[in-house]
Amino acid sequence: DGGITQSPKYLFRKEGQNVTLSCEQNLNHDAMYWYRQDPGQGLRLIYYSQIVNDFQKGDIAEGYSVSREKKESFPLTVTSAQKNPTAFYLCATLGSEQFFGPGTRLTVL
Amino acid sequence: AQKVTQAQTEISVVEKEDVTLDCVYETRDTTYYLFWYKQPPSGELVFLIRRNSFDEQNEISGRYSWNFQKSTSSFNFTITASQVVDSAVYFCALSAHTGTASKLTFGTGTRLQVTL
Repeated sequence: DGGITQSPKYLFRKEGQNVTLSCEQNLNHDAMYWYRQDPGQGLRLIYYSQIVNDFQKGDIAEGYSVSREKKESFPLTVTSAQKNPTAFYLCATLGSEQFFGPGTRLTVL
Repeated sequence: AQKVTQAQTEISVVEKEDVTLDCVYETRDTTYYLFWYKQPPSGELVFLIRRNSFDEQNEISGRYSWNFQKSTSSFNFTITASQVVDSAVYFCALSAHTGTASKLTFGTGTRLQVTL
């Protein structure tokens, strides 16, 4: 089945550690996105990529980094510079609509 | 700048009642898209509808209907005869083109609680 997979579903990190969230898609979509969702709030755009080897900062890119070496993959690294990383992270692609993955819930201990 | 406002933070209704979720948007673009998504407790966002700025026809899909009014910059969503399974957070979103990519701007969501 075509879709977006994100792993892991739950992730725990100690303060000061970098952590990488995985996002893979088999929809053959060019554009991929990372959003962050905090409780009681909407989604905020972290980074997006229109094509391989190219990406742009979204509204809240500080403390995050991404790469786009393959069309199917768009991993997000939450660095130690991100002051409040505990949140729900959603990866998405864009076709006729924006398709979302199931999300990764990151908790900093 | 794009902005989406969902003024209703939380709505509670009894099953079989009709309920309308409001969405007001701001954009300077003449071409744009509006979306509604449903987020059940599992967290995954479920696409409900996409409407482009040139199509002001209302749309009905089963118990769901949408009212798009450009004059008031609103894209409201009505659920008729609500059911417990409709309980979720609903997001309205607006897409804008920035260069070659489209970006979605989300509202803060409306939590709908449907009880028996």
